[in-house]
Amino acid sequence: GAGVSQSPSNKVTEKGKDVELRCDPISGHTALYWYRQSLGQGLEFLIYFQGNSAPDKSGLPSDRFSAERTGGSVSTLTIQRTQQEDSAVYLCASSLDSWLGNTIYFGEGSWLTVV
Amino acid sequence: GESVGLHLPTLSVQEGDNSIINCAYSNSASDYFIWYKQESGKGPQFIIDIRSNMDKRQGQRVTVLLNKTVKHLSLQIAATQPGDSAVYFCAEKRPGGGNKLTFGTGTQLKVEL
Repeated sequence: GAGVSQSPSNKVTEKGKDVELRCDPISGHTALYWYRQSLGQGLEFLIYFQGNSAPDKSGLPSDRFSAERTGGSVSTLTIQRTQQEDSAVYLCASSLDSWLGNTIYFGEGSWLTVV
Repeated sequence: GESVGLHLPTLSVQEGDNSIINCAYSNSASDYFIWYKQESGKGPQFIIDIRSNMDKRQGQRVTVLLNKTVKHLSLQIAATQPGDSAVYFCAEKRPGGGNKLTFGTGTQLKVEL
């Protein structure tokens, strides 16, 4: 597609439920990132995929969070047993590769509200 | 811990004036910096970037200045327009971190008519 596509755009879920957020990166982009943005805050790195390399999971806040990237394209971020503090915008981004200077393009985000 | 931060949380300017948004970073090894613009309800949009071997880079109506001595980054917007109203984030890439970005908390730019 023309840009990074994320779905759903909005999700309201009950505390304790699992949620899946989907990201479809720009075609041809081998690097994919997930960030989280709480209301009025900056972006917090979660996880980063680069080609077939092992993902950098250093930003995942707990073992309730996981992500996978199938076939080197679409990625799914899964949050298990959601908590109210998980409420945030989850932003996906992609770039050509991890080489310095390749622009990282963001999607519009998935707004998650845990009630 | 190390962080990227912004001096001013909110900046108000008159339409037509120039805007300067500042950013301090603490990791002297960072070698690439980016400015993003984020409008309400949207994802961050790339504005301009600069590598650490440069001290100035110009785009259309925007200029980024990098002062490595004091670890300071600024974004200058010429002839600010109402459409420039948004939150601006600086971000840095650190060596060994792949393409991962570390973001500051953002500055709200408000353009007054």
